[in-house]
Amino acid sequence: DIQMTQSPSFLSASVGDRVTINCKASQNINKYLDWYQQKHGEAPKLLIYNTNNLQTGIPSRFSGSGSGADYTLTISSLQPEDVATYFCLQHSSRPDTFGAGTKLELK
Amino acid sequence: EIQLQESGPGLVKPSQSLSLTCSVTGYTITSGYDWSWIRKFPGNKMEWMGYISNSGSTNYNPSLKIRISITRDTSKNQFFLQLNSVTTEDTATYYCARGYNWFAYWGQGTLVTVSS
Repeated sequence: DIQMTQSPSFLSASVGDRVTINCKASQNINKYLDWYQQKHGEAPKLLIYNTNNLQTGIPSRFSGSGSGADYTLTISSLQPEDVATYFCLQHSSRPDTFGAGTKLELK
Repeated sequence: EIQLQESGPGLVKPSQSLSLTCSVTGYTITSGYDWSWIRKFPGNKMEWMGYISNSGSTNYNPSLKIRISITRDTSKNQFFLQLNSVTTEDTATYYCARGYNWFAYWGQGTLVTVSS
């Protein structure tokens, strides 16, 4: 299985800050990397698929980048409603595997 | 609007089977996509468990292959998870989701606790 190492595990930032979350795969995953947001008690929400494609309805302050084994989710200007846990998912090779998650809180 | 909703017992005894239903509205499960089960353990680790395709074929996580079965009832537009011989380590929130690769639609999740 491909291992996904996500960092940081916890992040505290202020409104308006630029926030980055990283996922590193144990091998090249050819940009088959998605990002999800999960707020407490809610279903996960797809933010970005295949590294840099913004899902319909997701604000443009969210963006993704990366290649090979290294990928990044960026929130350009943090908003209060962005408080959530974020996780990555690779679908390059079955079984799909997830990062451990990043809990984002407001400072 | 596409909606998925998990249902099933919230408490299962060790060594028994866990059975969950995912009811889908707003889309016919035979029309396309794969229909997956995913679980989130206490501590937030997530695991893709397997899927049933729109044609009825299945694909399971090898870590679960001898214990898992995903089936469907097309007349009710539902698909099901059965996980056999559960242990306390199967305690998790179970989600159903739709997608070929990425998962654009998820259910709200249902917590299943394995305990005697």
